[in-house]
Amino acid sequence: KQEVTQIPAALSVPEGENLVLNCSFTDSAIYNLQWFRQDPGKGLTSLLLIQSSQREQTSGRLNASLDKSSGRSTLYIAASQPGDSATYLCPRNGGTYKYIFGTGTRLKVLA
Amino acid sequence: EPEVTQTPSHQVTQMGQEVILRCVPISNHLYFYWYRQILGQKVEFLVSFYNNEISEKSEIFDDQFSVERPDGSNFTLKIRSTKLEDSAMYFCASDTEAFFGQGTRLTVV
Repeated sequence: KQEVTQIPAALSVPEGENLVLNCSFTDSAIYNLQWFRQDPGKGLTSLLLIQSSQREQTSGRLNASLDKSSGRSTLYIAASQPGDSATYLCPRNGGTYKYIFGTGTRLKVLA
Repeated sequence: EPEVTQTPSHQVTQMGQEVILRCVPISNHLYFYWYRQILGQKVEFLVSFYNNEISEKSEIFDDQFSVERPDGSNFTLKIRSTKLEDSAMYFCASDTEAFFGQGTRLTVV
């Protein structure tokens, strides 16, 4: 059983669309929630961190929310651009600080 | 902006050889981690390290793996006798808000 489920698994959209990426956890005990992007063959870049006392965080065109009671997080990307093309990851941090990853959402934004 | 640095970026080794992957975490961080990502698969936790000892390890982190912080700045992952299936990207991370390095691509031939 997957600990972290990300929906959709893959997404291809034209430039300019507003996007919603979803993340759910089998265990809703979440310490904090961090969204990352990973470009092919590269490392993980932190996008947003929702601290344990917060419910959402915004940075530029990105907004992430966290509902601990349901064990779900959502990443909104406004006015998508080709440079947003990457895999997006929302690993679970249950409080021991190790991250459990899902398979991510592979996003492709077409020019 | 401070960053986690990993060396080398790519290492090719023969099966059965020992490899050491190096990481320089951000200087005031206290928690350190190694993760790996086999090509096309998800990122997997290997081990966490705090106060100069392993705080948690996964099933993957068997006796062929070891970690240490030899000089208070570097954080290393040693694989004693590499196998073909050890080929992967290995990521170092530090702090409770994980700062990830850019990874070392290990290829075992």
